[in-house]
Amino acid sequence: DTEVTQTPKHLVMGMTNKKSLKCEQHMGHRAMYWYKQKAKKPPELMFVYSYEKLSINESVPSRFSPECPNSSLLNLHLHALQPEDSALYLCASSQRTSGGSYEQYFGPGTRLTVT
Amino acid sequence: RKEVEQDPGPFNVPEGATVAFNCTYSNSASQSFFWYRQDCRKEPKLLMSVYSSGNEDGRFTAQLNRASQYISLLIRDSKLSDSATYLCVVIPAGGTSYGKLTFGQGTILTVHP
Repeated sequence: DTEVTQTPKHLVMGMTNKKSLKCEQHMGHRAMYWYKQKAKKPPELMFVYSYEKLSINESVPSRFSPECPNSSLLNLHLHALQPEDSALYLCASSQRTSGGSYEQYFGPGTRLTVT
Repeated sequence: RKEVEQDPGPFNVPEGATVAFNCTYSNSASQSFFWYRQDCRKEPKLLMSVYSSGNEDGRFTAQLNRASQYISLLIRDSKLSDSATYLCVVIPAGGTSYGKLTFGQGTILTVHP
């Protein structure tokens, strides 16, 4: 089973709203990721959590706030977003394989529209 | 120079054709290599890891040339369902407990009847 789930699938929010995106995996992976993807572009890494600790923040604006409550869950809290933040937000998880690689599995994403 | 470069295409091929995608990477210390496919408005899905010895999965063959820093994906007997964007992905070497993926821009493939 290589399933990563994300909720909600779609989200429309105003620039003054506060909302959260949720991600869950039950594969026992200890690394989890948030990506942002705009149309016709590859995913851009935002945050990496490893063993529930924030390992990478790719200079993401503070209006995006990640949280890792436990090894299976990852949240992304959104506040005072801008229209240009509209995108597909992807969660992923990975584990080191016996061959030393990191096969990463993506959730279906949340399509966010900021009005 | 981009870290991972792909020919963006688009590639338009008839069903049954053989098509090859190429990808180059700039960091010679890169350690892991993958091909992902992404359908329109869906998430990327892992297609294949790429190993130094080359590997095959059904109609798909992936090869890695470390000396030339070059990765390829060959699709034989193309199906309509192969239409997607193919992403070349590289992970640099590093003693971390996670893999920081570096994506190419993607190659668009359309298979037509």
